[in-house]
Amino acid sequence: GNSVTQMEGPVTLSEEAFLTINCTYTATGYPSLFWYVQYPGEGLQLLLKATKADDKGSNKGFEATYRKETTSFHLEKGSVQVSDSAVYFCALGQGAQKLVFGQGTRLTINP
Amino acid sequence: GAGVSQSPRYKVAKRGQDVALRCDPISGHVSLFWYQQALGQGPEFLTYFQNEAQLDKSGLPSDRFFAERPEGSVSTLKIQRTQQEDSAVYLCASSSDDSHYGYTFGSGTRLTVV
Repeated sequence: GNSVTQMEGPVTLSEEAFLTINCTYTATGYPSLFWYVQYPGEGLQLLLKATKADDKGSNKGFEATYRKETTSFHLEKGSVQVSDSAVYFCALGQGAQKLVFGQGTRLTINP
Repeated sequence: GAGVSQSPRYKVAKRGQDVALRCDPISGHVSLFWYQQALGQGPEFLTYFQNEAQLDKSGLPSDRFFAERPEGSVSTLKIQRTQQEDSAVYLCASSSDDSHYGYTFGSGTRLTVV
């Protein structure tokens, strides 16, 4: 079945550091790929998405590229801020709008 | 309303009690989803409605779980005879028909079974 694997957390960085959170997936066919973010006390929010191979999703300085050859969708940001502290979820969608999520990566940014 | 509203925000139930969790989706959103998020895990799909029709309930973990959306708007997730393993955050999301996974999630209901 479809599945998503994220790098284990928690991840702790200093402000202005470079961020990578790894995500790989297993799926038949060509799913859409997503990154969601969950800030403390809030609901999940869509951060970015890509719907086909080689697409790059971007938002708020975050980027992720859909790599079919490596079945990956790694999240990157060049310079993180304290306000980026949250839990990040990689997810895939295939058919009937159902999402399959990874286990989440907690990110803490220290000033 | 402006977002997806879930109530109650927190629920403590004694083992064996029945609970009902409510979701008010964004007005006009055709699709509604329920997910279960255990502590430290990602959300897992429970069930999906399009209007009042429950099109997929493959994720419901047992026949103690039941969801309905009788008028195609508000939805209720009911859990009968709660068990400790039911403790989790229950998330509701809605989307418009043409949004391509453009979910809006609610803040969830945290259920604790003691």
